[in-house]
Amino acid sequence: DADVTQTPRNRITKTGKRIMLECSQTKGHDRMYWYRQDPGLGLRLIYYSFDVKDINKGEISDGYSVSRQAQAKFSLSLESAIPNQTALYFCATSDYRNTASGTQYFGPGTRLLVL
Amino acid sequence: AQSVTQLGSHVSVSEGALVLLRCNYSSSVPPYLFWYVQYPNQGLQLLLKYTTGATLVKGINGFEAEFKKSETSFHLTKPSAHMSDAAEYFCAVSEGGSYIPTFGRGTSLIVHP
Repeated sequence: DADVTQTPRNRITKTGKRIMLECSQTKGHDRMYWYRQDPGLGLRLIYYSFDVKDINKGEISDGYSVSRQAQAKFSLSLESAIPNQTALYFCATSDYRNTASGTQYFGPGTRLLVL
Repeated sequence: AQSVTQLGSHVSVSEGALVLLRCNYSSSVPPYLFWYVQYPNQGLQLLLKYTTGATLVKGINGFEAEFKKSETSFHLTKPSAHMSDAAEYFCAVSEGGSYIPTFGRGTSLIVHP
């Protein structure tokens, strides 16, 4: 089984709809992240969480919100989807106990299309 | 502040040829440097990283990178490209392992038969 899972893998929605993307991990990591990937722009950080009670905005948080329901679960919501939120979304984790590493572990991604 | 520049959004090589993907970084403190690879329809996975110590770092699948502080570079190389190396490659920098990395825009490696 994959260590970092994302649901759904693909989603088509309409402008103005609220949607939620979910991320779960079995790695036991405390830190979780949401990124979006757009062609030619690389990965941009939306939100990150260092533990259940810690939520931080990233580079491009406008139009998004998150919830850290448990150490293993981190959800991303689009309150009112718009077409320029069409992108590939990735969840990632890292382990604070191994700060010498700094390595992030990524889920398979959710491809979102907003019509 | 930290930043990453990957030179060339696309690099095309023939199978068996040298692969060179360029990455330059900016960091106010000694950096942690990473290369991640993204195969089609998959998430990113770590290829190799530099934290401290030896500046020539070896990764998976025959890739290696050298940290050159004087040039603020961390270029990725592989002596002989395989068709299976075709993927998107991302360079990233962080100011230590506990900090959020900044990613470059990515370089798409195309391998011709």
